[in-house]
Amino acid sequence: EAQVTQNPRYLITVTGKKLTVTCSQNMNHEYMSWYRQDPGLGLRQIYYSMNVEVTDKGDVPEGYKVSRKEKRNFPLILESPSPNQTSLYFCASSPKDRGNYEQYFGPGTRLTVT
Amino acid sequence: AQSVTQPDIHITVSEGASLELRCNYSYGATPYLFWYVQSPGQGLQLLLKYFSGDTLVQGIKGFEAEFKRSQSSFNLRKPSVHWSDAAEYFCAVGANAGKSTFGDGTTLTVKP
Repeated sequence: EAQVTQNPRYLITVTGKKLTVTCSQNMNHEYMSWYRQDPGLGLRQIYYSMNVEVTDKGDVPEGYKVSRKEKRNFPLILESPSPNQTSLYFCASSPKDRGNYEQYFGPGTRLTVT
Repeated sequence: AQSVTQPDIHITVSEGASLELRCNYSYGATPYLFWYVQSPGQGLQLLLKYFSGDTLVQGIKGFEAEFKRSQSSFNLRKPSVHWSDAAEYFCAVGANAGKSTFGDGTTLTVKP
């Protein structure tokens, strides 16, 4: 089944404790993105990647890091999480022939930072 | 910079009634436009998209949207709403490769 998977789905952590949220897609898509969703703010793009080793900042990259060492994986790293990063996070992927536009979304990761 | 505005935060319609969700965008060239739906506790699913050509596009679940360049709008419509359409709807614009901007979303409630 074609899908985007994220792990973990739920995470509660404390301020300053480094964490990684994994994202993997099995559709051989070139493009991948991370978004955060907050009430009343819609989805805001954190980072995106157009291919292996090619990443760029979205609208809200502060406090986040990403890497794209393999085509299928695009982990999101919070080096020192803070409470304002409590949010619902979505990973998405898209085939190159549709740019980064027609995106397939993962199920989301709900992160709470205390 | 590209932007998307969904003027209605929350809309309530009766089952069987028609629906229109508004979306206005800002972008310097012809945009690529999308509508996504998010059911409670779920990820986003693509409803329909506009790249070029016919300005009236058909999507899944009986939805359609019309691109109006003169009004910078891409409103979503459905002639008869079903209770299962209750969800949050997002309009999005994708202009530069990799960069996507979403609206704040419209929550649809369907009354029996």
